[in-house]
Amino acid sequence: QVQLQQWGAGLLKPSETLSLTCAVYGGSFSGYSWSWIRQRPGEGLEWIGDINHSGGTNYNPSLKSRVTISGDTSQNQFSLKLSSVTAADTAVYYCAREVREAVTGLPYYFDYWGQGILVTVSS
Amino acid sequence: QSVLTQPSSVSGAPGQRVTISCTGSRSNIGAGYDVHWYQQLPGTAPKLLIYGNSNRPSGVPDRFSGSKSGTSASLAITGLQAEDEADYYCQSYDSSLSDVVFGGGTKLTVL
Repeated sequence: QVQLQQWGAGLLKPSETLSLTCAVYGGSFSGYSWSWIRQRPGEGLEWIGDINHSGGTNYNPSLKSRVTISGDTSQNQFSLKLSSVTAADTAVYYCAREVREAVTGLPYYFDYWGQGILVTVSS
Repeated sequence: QSVLTQPSSVSGAPGQRVTISCTGSRSNIGAGYDVHWYQQLPGTAPKLLIYGNSNRPSGVPDRFSGSKSGTSASLAITGLQAEDEADYYCQSYDSSLSDVVFGGGTKLTVL
């Protein structure tokens, strides 16, 4: 059974850098892509970006200038950094296993999710 | 404003059938990209409910079904149960945005 466990700082000040890590237990790490998704309070889901088995990344265009996703295949972990945070970045952040569409290679769906971490940005 | 449009809420009595719509455009659902559905129980992470428009992952009851036509998709829940009370989200891909897109979510209330 695949399990994702995530951790990181839950309280940040404006302009600081958000840093979260997600560990994958069970299943193949190298055979999948891995995503970060967030949910602002009372709102819907927003895809932040992903990293594939080769270390290649894709980011949401609206966040691209501030986001870095990296991976450590030796530890079966991947991480998210979001710089220059503001109150608008307050959200629950989820890591998720991403299945890619077989023909196009584009992100398809997310079948396993981490427990989520509430990150609050406040002065 | 979400790229995919869902009703904010739906409701039904136990045992009834409800449907949740997900309306997109020619750059996402209408372009042929598949639709996936997630169930989010209060205080928990989303759970994959339907993938590839109409496929159920192992363990998801057959009371849940999905369909897609044109620029829209639908999630149907039959034999409504109290435990189905949750938020439901549709998801697809948008070629104009080069981005994964979600609906705004629909809150299902079991009366």
